[in-house]
Amino acid sequence: EVQLVESGGAFVQAGGSLKLSCAASGFTLSRFYMDWVRQAPGKGLEWVALFRNIEDGSTTEHAASVKGRFFISKDDSKNSVYLQMNSLKTEDTAVYYCVREYWGGFDYWGQGSLVTVSS
Amino acid sequence: QSALTQPPSASGSPGQSVTISCTGTSSDIGAYNFVSWYQQHPGKVPKLLIYEVTKRPSGVPDRFSASKSGNTASLTVSGLQADDEADYYCSSYVGGMTSIVFGTGTKVTVL
Repeated sequence: EVQLVESGGAFVQAGGSLKLSCAASGFTLSRFYMDWVRQAPGKGLEWVALFRNIEDGSTTEHAASVKGRFFISKDDSKNSVYLQMNSLKTEDTAVYYCVREYWGGFDYWGQGSLVTVSS
Repeated sequence: QSALTQPPSASGSPGQSVTISCTGTSSDIGAYNFVSWYQQHPGKVPKLLIYEVTKRPSGVPDRFSASKSGNTASLTVSGLQADDEADYYCSSYVGGMTSIVFGTGTKVTVL
């Protein structure tokens, strides 16, 4: 059974840093694209970052809104995906979902990890 | 990259059908056959309903169908049921440095 379990969400002051973790199980992590998607309170979904699979070079992409501040990484040996978030802003307040990408769609989602950034 | 445009709301009576549109551009929906649709009940995690424009993951009822024409994709929910009341989001692959763009979301109400 595929499972994604996020951790690391917290209350943090603006300008601070936080690292989210996502423990994956039930599938071979290296074979899939893995992404982070966020949802601000009462708002829609926003794609945040992507880590491509080993076949496509294990490269990364980040949304313009977080580029240079957020960094996605992955450790296949630990079956984990990470999102390092620096220089946090109040507008980064959201539930952050770890998701598995399948042909452009996100077929498995974690339960979400709440990040609250206070001014 | 701007969000894809969806109507804020849609509604229908039980048993009826409702269709939700998702309008993008020639750089996203019009360029790729990687349109997906998601259902999200209040307080819950989004669920994948459709991928690659028309494909349904295992377990998704065939009451959910989708299509694409030019820069616009559509999701149709047939035989509306009370449990279909939820928020629905579309998404499209964009390519390049912005991988995926989501729609603005549509709240479906079952009357």
